[in-house]
Amino acid sequence: DGGITQSPKYLFRKEGQNVTLSCEQNLNHDAMYWYRQDPGQGLRLIYYSQIVNDFQKGDIAEGYSVSREKKESFPLTVTSAQKNPTAFYLCASTPRDRASDEQFFGPGTRLTVL
Amino acid sequence: DAKTTQPTSMDCAEGRAANLPCNHSTISGNEYVYWYRQIHSQGPQYIIHGLKNNETNEMASLIITEDRKSSTLILPHATLRDTAVYYCIVRGSYTGRRALTFGSGTRLQVQP
Repeated sequence: DGGITQSPKYLFRKEGQNVTLSCEQNLNHDAMYWYRQDPGQGLRLIYYSQIVNDFQKGDIAEGYSVSREKKESFPLTVTSAQKNPTAFYLCASTPRDRASDEQFFGPGTRLTVL
Repeated sequence: DAKTTQPTSMDCAEGRAANLPCNHSTISGNEYVYWYRQIHSQGPQYIIHGLKNNETNEMASLIITEDRKSSTLILPHATLRDTAVYYCIVRGSYTGRRALTFGSGTRLQVQP
């Protein structure tokens, strides 16, 4: 079964701790994205990567970091510099050579900082 | 990417058609209309997209007005499982970023 997995589904951390959210895909997609969603709001882009070893800041990158060492994986680190990290985090991917912009989303990780 | 306007919420009776409107009056000639939906606490799911012709797939139909300034997503026979937030997104064909700009969407409640 091809798809995107995010783990864990729920994550709790103490204030001031860094935390890394996992995103793995076996769709052979080149491009991957991280979005943040706050209650009752739409999605906002944090970081995106169009190819291995390359990534770009999105609209709300401050306090976050990413890496793209493998095509299948795009982990997101929420650092202590992120002032309000409690949110629902969504990872997505798209094949780079496809004309359509259909994005495939993972199930999300709900992060709560205590 | 052009901005979209959608109603905040809508209700629909189970088994009836759900018609979800979207205004995108500043859409340009090369911009597509995309629809996604998000069931509570899940990742968004792609539904359909179109440029200027009406489109239909197994999930829904997309009707785009001739001037392309608005569109309607039609779920022909709504079920309780269609209760979700529906997002209308307008964007051009391949650009460098390719990320999607999600507004607040329309919360569709299908009533039994």
